[in-house]
Amino acid sequence: TQLLEQSPQFLSIQEGENLTVYCNSSSVFSSLQWYRQEPGEGPVLLVTVVTGGEVKKLKRLTFQFGDARKDSSLHITAAQPGDTGLYLCAGTEETSGSRLTFGEGTQLTVNP
Amino acid sequence: GAVVSQHPSRVICKSGTSVKIECRSLDFQATTMFWYRQFPKQSLMLMATSNEGSKATYEQGVEKDKFLINHASLTLSTLTVTSAHPEDSSFYICSARGGNPSSYEQYFGPGTRLTVT
Repeated sequence: TQLLEQSPQFLSIQEGENLTVYCNSSSVFSSLQWYRQEPGEGPVLLVTVVTGGEVKKLKRLTFQFGDARKDSSLHITAAQPGDTGLYLCAGTEETSGSRLTFGEGTQLTVNP
Repeated sequence: GAVVSQHPSRVICKSGTSVKIECRSLDFQATTMFWYRQFPKQSLMLMATSNEGSKATYEQGVEKDKFLINHASLTLSTLTVTSAHPEDSSFYICSARGGNPSSYEQYFGPGTRLTVT
């Protein structure tokens, strides 16, 4: 059983559409990060959320951390082809020190 | 800031040989470094955690004698894949975490593509 359940795993949409990616767990996290990864490269950190209920915005991306710190979502408004990539959520459990656990990832394709 | 480099970016080796991958934090001191492997179209799987000056902690199922990790300084960790086999072919990624205990963030290197023939 995956500690962090990420959905959907694959998403193909048209330019201009909105989308939401979810990351869920039964564990409580001290923090949760969202990364974006392009093929053949390492993940790039987009945001870190640490407070239950926290909402952070990064241009057209909105990140939310659940009140109980067990889940998170990433919402993209008016998606563009440049948003195409693998989106990964990763969390640090309260009992795991600095160890990051990754979700399975969401492969997003935005078609022009 | 928070730049992590890896070298080499790609390596091809023959079965039975050993390969060393370097991970460096370029503009900060990394008290902890992590090594991951990633198969195509899959997420990252943590292999081991290393703290400067101490032995690495390996995840369950990862052979410590096969994947040798050294974290000799606050800016350098190395992963040596010993007696490599084709099934070790993968994308290996390191990450580094700074010394601030309140910082949860890890910064990732660009990855190393290992192909064992």
